[in-house]
Formats: sequence, C-alpha cells, structure tokens
Amino acid sequence: GQQLNQSPQSMFIQEGEDVSMNCTSSSIFNTWLWYKQDPGEGPVLLIALYKAGELTSNGRLTAQFGITRKDSFLNISASIPSDVGIYFCAGQGAGNMLTFGGGTRLMVKP
Amino acid sequence: GAVVSQHPSWVICKSGTSVKIECRSLDFQATTMFWYRQFPKQSLMLMATSNEGSKATYEQGVEKDKFLINHASLTLSTLTVTSAHPEDSSFYICSARDQGRVTEAFFGQGTRLTVV
Repeated sequence: GQQLNQSPQSMFIQEGEDVSMNCTSSSIFNTWLWYKQDPGEGPVLLIALYKAGELTSNGRLTAQFGITRKDSFLNISASIPSDVGIYFCAGQGAGNMLTFGGGTRLMVKP
Repeated sequence: GAVVSQHPSWVICKSGTSVKIECRSLDFQATTMFWYRQFPKQSLMLMATSNEGSKATYEQGVEKDKFLINHASLTLSTLTVTSAHPEDSSFYICSARDQGRVTEAFFGQGTRLTVV
C-alpha cells in the first residue's frame, strides 16, 4: 500500500543528544500521528496532531503538523536508552484510513 | 483507557492448519478495527478493515478466503489464517478506533505467527 516518506531510516546517537525525524507526503492529511514500536510489540501512540501548524509536546517529545498538511516532524530531546525503538508516522486522510511511514529505527548509545 | 488486547501473543502451528487471532477493545467500543501485517524491519501493511456487523473490506492482493475476518461485536474482531503455510509466518497487529475519538487508532500488542 501507499507509504509516507519517513527519514531517516535509522539513527545511532549518543545518550543525551536530541533527535529529529520527519515524514513527507504528496497527499494532504487531516491528522498526523506518531507511534513508537518496541520489538515484538504493537505501536504505541505518542502524539496526535489535528490542525495544520499545530505544535504539540509530550514530555521530551515535540511534534508539528506542517502548514501544507503534507508533512510532520518529531523531535526527541535529551535522548535516553529507553527511547530505543522504531518510530512511525501515520497520516490520516479522507475515510479515516491510516497511511504509515516506513519507520525510523532509533538506537541510543549509553 | 483505550486499551486494545490481542491474543495470542505468539503461536506456532503446522502447515495446513488454521489459526485464529483475537482483537479486543477493553474499555471502549470500536465499530472499526484494522488488521495489519508486518514483516521484519518493515512498516505496517494494512490487510483489511473490519466493520462491526458487516463484511470486512480487504486491501488489494489480500485473499479474503485465506484471511477470514469476523467482527461480531463492538469489542471483538477475529482474524483466522486458514490452511496456513510457512509464507504466512509474520507479525500480525490489530488496531481499533474509539467511537468517541474517531481520529485516533490504538494498537494491540501483536501476534507472532510461525508456521512450520
């Protein structure tokens, strides 16, 4: 099925560093969602964005819904080892169907 | 709130047998549930949309006779992999949308299916 362009595909960073990842699409979305998936588990919702331009924080996580409604970014500040996992963006358009990005695999070195 | 429980977490079955996976919304009602398949190091691939009280809608390329979906109540959807083969081995994940919060979907913990 259709996928969003999510980058980077993987990141290997030092504990304490900030992280930034983003998703772009050729389609407009009404909602952007960011999920984290741990190995062998289902994705867990981190942040939901409902309006173009919206900037939302959840602890050390900050995400923004792009003005054009075709992109979104997620920032993680002061990374810690438990941030390790795969992060997925998802866009929701007409019909409430979710389209997922390819994922960003985050590895944190203590 | 918004907990989705999937069972079993993992299952090993012999080729030719059928396996049923359950997806339950524990604290909300879900008129729509979604079934995904995920291969190693890849994103989630939507297989079908399960609608309570009606037939599921399958994505292109997904065999409906192979992957039977039943959504008999507002809190339960089941996926049955019929006549399983080794190539059906995968991680299957369901998600459910809260009727009261239509824009957010919550995921189960996934089921690792291994067909031997």
